[in-house]
Amino acid sequence: AQSVTQPDIHITVSEGASLELRCNYSYGATPYLFWYVQSPGQGLQLLLKYFSGDTLVQGIKGFEAEFKRSQSSFNLRKPSVHWSDAAEYFCAVSGGSYIPTFGRGTSLIVHP
Amino acid sequence: DTGVSQDPRHKITKRGQNVTFRCDPISEHNRLYWYRQTLGQGPEFLTYFQNEAQLEKSRLLSDRFSAERPKGSFSTLEIQRTEQGDSAMYLCASSLIFGQRGTDTQYFGPGTRLTVL
Repeated sequence: AQSVTQPDIHITVSEGASLELRCNYSYGATPYLFWYVQSPGQGLQLLLKYFSGDTLVQGIKGFEAEFKRSQSSFNLRKPSVHWSDAAEYFCAVSGGSYIPTFGRGTSLIVHP
Repeated sequence: DTGVSQDPRHKITKRGQNVTFRCDPISEHNRLYWYRQTLGQGPEFLTYFQNEAQLEKSRLLSDRFSAERPKGSFSTLEIQRTEQGDSAMYLCASSLIFGQRGTDTQYFGPGTRLTVL
């Protein structure tokens, strides 16, 4: 069975600082991996995805993520955080069935 | 492309009542998914359709939950005899799959927040 672990429930950073959100997955074959962002009361917006190829994936809003098969990880990074990045971030994994399993999310708090 | 829309955005009901939610996917998308999200958790998959066929429904939470997509366009999710534990955000997503080796990027609607009193 596939699963996702986001070990950090909350992350607090100062505006302008760098960010890394952790995601570990469990899946028996090559996974499809996703990061979504959710603002309060809203649906999810796709930030980036990994299906195959280059393990460093660029997304929207200046985010990137790196797929590391040996560590079963897909961590999300941003070099300089803006106050508008404060939101809930979800990592998800799926396979050939395309049915994703989401992590419980990491809440990002940005201090001015 | 107007995005995925859901109606209503909020629903308050009394325990034991039936509720129905509607989802309109992105027009050319052939897949439609329903999820439930409770506070502090990620979305939990419920069911999905490819065109009008419901390909996975074993994860619907109980037999009180049902979904339809009669013409392969919009979909409805019905909850019968609601319980307080059904209070949650219900999310819909759609995607476009090409053939057997297509990839699946899901686009989410804003959700319907259900409160059962």
